Amino acid sequence: GDSVTQMEGPVTLSEEAFLTINCTYTATGYPSLFWYVQYPGEGLQLLLKATKADDKGSNKGFEATYRKETTSFHLEKGSVQVSDSAVYFCALSVSNDYKLSFGAGTTVTVRA
Amino acid sequence: GAGVSQSPSNKVTEKGKDVELRCDPISGHTALYWYRQSLGQGLEFLIYFQGNSAPDKSGLPSDRFSAERTGGSVSTLTIQRTQQEDSAVYLCASSRGATQYFGPGTRLTVL
Repeated sequence: GDSVTQMEGPVTLSEEAFLTINCTYTATGYPSLFWYVQYPGEGLQLLLKATKADDKGSNKGFEATYRKETTSFHLEKGSVQVSDSAVYFCALSVSNDYKLSFGAGTTVTVRA
Repeated sequence: GAGVSQSPSNKVTEKGKDVELRCDPISGHTALYWYRQSLGQGLEFLIYFQGNSAPDKSGLPSDRFSAERTGGSVSTLTIQRTQQEDSAVYLCASSRGATQYFGPGTRLTVL
């Protein structure tokens, strides 16, 4: 079945450090790929998405590129801030109903 | 309202009781989803409604779980004879396309 595997956490880093969270997927067909973020005490929010191979999604300084050859959608940010502390979920949908399959989530803590 | 709303925000119940969780989607969104977020299982899809079509119930974990969507808007997720393993955060999302907008969730605790 369709599934997402993402880097285990937790991840702790200092402000202005480089962040990468790895995400790989298994899917039939051609999935759309998403990163969702859950800030402390808040609901899930879409961070970025990509709907076809080689697309790059970007938002709030975060980027992820849809790599069909490696079935990956790694999330990166060049210089993190304390406010980026959150749980990040990689997800995919493969059909017209758009129901999401999520990775396990990666908790990121950024220290000042 | 501007976003997806869910009620109650917290629900504590005793094992064996029935519970109802409510979701108000964003106005105009034809698709509505329920997910469950639990420590052991992560985020799992439960059920999906699209317009007037029959719902996709493929994610419901047992026949104790059911959901309905009245008038293409508000949805209620019902769990009968709750068990301790039902304790989780139940999330509702709505969409008009590929991007789903999530509500704040209902935290269910079964004692």
